[in-house]
Amino acid sequence: KAGVTQTPRYLIKTRGQQVTLSCSPISGHRSVSWYQQTPGQGLQFLFEYFSETQRNKGNFPGRFSGRQFSNSRSEMNVSTLELGDSALYLCASSFSPSGGPLNEQFFGPGTRLTVL
Amino acid sequence: GENVEQHPSTLSVQEGDSAVIKCTYSDSASNYFPWYKQELGKGPQLIIDIRSNVGEKKDQRIAVTLNKTAKHFSLHITETQPEDSAVYFCAATVGHQLIWGAGTKLIIKP
Repeated sequence: KAGVTQTPRYLIKTRGQQVTLSCSPISGHRSVSWYQQTPGQGLQFLFEYFSETQRNKGNFPGRFSGRQFSNSRSEMNVSTLELGDSALYLCASSFSPSGGPLNEQFFGPGTRLTVL
Repeated sequence: GENVEQHPSTLSVQEGDSAVIKCTYSDSASNYFPWYKQELGKGPQLIIDIRSNVGEKKDQRIAVTLNKTAKHFSLHITETQPEDSAVYFCAATVGHQLIWGAGTKLIIKP
């Protein structure tokens, strides 16, 4: 079974631009979560999508948004990029019958975003 | 807000020795506590988890203990091997999301 894939793996943008990251979950997984990882900060939860609906949302500004398609693939968008948005963005999928974090999450390798 | 504190931030042990990483959480309603291992260039991978109705769980060289009264849980790795070198994260549920510790870099010295 193929793992979680994320594209692109690396991205360089300048302040003020916007960016879209993509995540393909493991086949059969309907829950997709996004995290921001920065050195020394651990993983910060952005949002979770389940069956095309945002189920949970972390404490990030409205510049961060996402969506999920009928095939469970998910995209994350960041508008008006700031220097502080430089981070590794991780996507995780899980077989979660009703959404939520109570089941194993399978992570992709992440997208490394650098904002100049 | 609710948080998870993880200690130490770096742990260096001799190959074959044991390693212990500790986490404390603040939300008394937390009921699921996973541990993830992240190797360089990869996403985190679940190595063991524990739910609030259990005090201890073992899987070969790895064990997790949970003290709900004190609101802390620990990861124990015995007979450490070079492949155990990685960053380890603890997490705890807060409502419908996981709150993560800041991570522990485990270094196994030959």
